[in-house]
Amino acid sequence: DAGVIQSPRHEVTEMGQEVTLRCKPISGHNSLFWYRQTMMRGLELLIYFNNNVPIDDSGMPEDRFSAKMPNASFSTLKIQPSEPRDSAVYFCASSLVRATGELFFGEGSRLTVL
Amino acid sequence: AQSVTQLDSQVPVFEEAPVELRCNYSSSVSVYLFWYVQYPNQGLQLLLKYLSGSTLVESINGFEAEFNKSQTSFHLRKPSVHISDTAEYFCAVSDRIQGAQKLVFGQGTRLTINP
Repeated sequence: DAGVIQSPRHEVTEMGQEVTLRCKPISGHNSLFWYRQTMMRGLELLIYFNNNVPIDDSGMPEDRFSAKMPNASFSTLKIQPSEPRDSAVYFCASSLVRATGELFFGEGSRLTVL
Repeated sequence: AQSVTQLDSQVPVFEEAPVELRCNYSSSVSVYLFWYVQYPNQGLQLLLKYLSGSTLVESINGFEAEFNKSQTSFHLRKPSVHISDTAEYFCAVSDRIQGAQKLVFGQGTRLTINP
């Protein structure tokens, strides 16, 4: 079975450019999470969706970040404009709503903003 | 609210030696506990979990963790490590009502195995 699929795996861009990260959750999962991982701050939850509806976006750093989930099989995380401090690995994870805590992670998108 | 403390940011050990990665949590409600593993350049994978029942849980690759409610700990152990165990290990806690929606991760412990 296919796991969580993220693209791109690597992205290098210049400050001020728009970045779009994509995620396809595991089929049948109805919760989707976006995490950011950095050396300084560890693993941070940015936002999560239940049944395509954003439930908690309190972890989104600022208005430059936005996330959408137009259907059950696709989500995007957009940064506009990007800044060097956004450089990190962004993970998407999926699960079933009310699951005990077992998340299935993608392999991540490594973003470098120059 | 829950929180997780992993007491060691890095643990170097020799191959075939035993290892313990420490994890303490705090919560005002009953919890589920997890260890996730992250191999280099990969996402996190569930290693083992405590939901209920026996306080000692095991993974398929020889790791085990014991839930100790009185000490609010969930330490991860392996009696003999292999080079392939080199990875970062994350302890995590969720509450029994909101589950995955409120999963809190520790800062991670980097396990390095020396030959």
